[in-house]
Amino acid sequence: KNQVEQSPQSLIILEGKNCTLQCNYTVSPFSNLRWYKQDTGRGPVSLTIMTFSENTKSNGRYTATLDADTKQSSLHITASQLSDSASYICVVSEGSGTYKYIFGTGTRLKVLA
Amino acid sequence: GAGVSQSPSNKVTEKGKDVELRCDPISGHTALYWYRQSLGQGLEFLIYFQGNSAPDKSGLPSDRFSAERTGGSVSTLTIQRTQQEDSAVYLCASSSIAGGPGGTQYFGPGTRLLVL
Repeated sequence: KNQVEQSPQSLIILEGKNCTLQCNYTVSPFSNLRWYKQDTGRGPVSLTIMTFSENTKSNGRYTATLDADTKQSSLHITASQLSDSASYICVVSEGSGTYKYIFGTGTRLKVLA
Repeated sequence: GAGVSQSPSNKVTEKGKDVELRCDPISGHTALYWYRQSLGQGLEFLIYFQGNSAPDKSGLPSDRFSAERTGGSVSTLTIQRTQQEDSAVYLCASSSIAGGPGGTQYFGPGTRLLVL
């Protein structure tokens, strides 16, 4: 069964600090990997999209990396802000039809003042 | 412009009743997706509409679930004879044909369904 595993499940950091969230996947074949931010009570918002040929993609203070050989991705958040408190979801396409996505259960990040 | 909207925001119903959830995608977006998000679980694919093509219904969990998309725009997800395990957040997303099926998805705020 294709899976997307994320770690840690939850994380608490102080404002201004950096953090890295991990995503391991077993989806094959693989087309693209996305990171979403989901605020409480809201729908997910796309942060980055990477194809198998891309190693890194940045969006402001968010930088995603991808190692398609080891099937690992990370999302690095620099100089965290209180508004970064949210769930971060890793999503991998099944490849056979690029509209089919496997969602991880997310990492819940809490940034404290 | 306006994003994806969903209604109602919250729905409480009794077991055995039918419910209808509505999604208004971004204007011009030809692709529309329905997902279910249960507590502590990742989003679960339900159904995908693309233009006038036949929808991919492979994610619908049972024949109690059905969805329609009228005029290539508004979509409704219907759950008949609701069960307590249907309680979840139902999310709708749309994407433009320019992005293709692999393009950016824009999600609505979801409908929180509670079946008592």
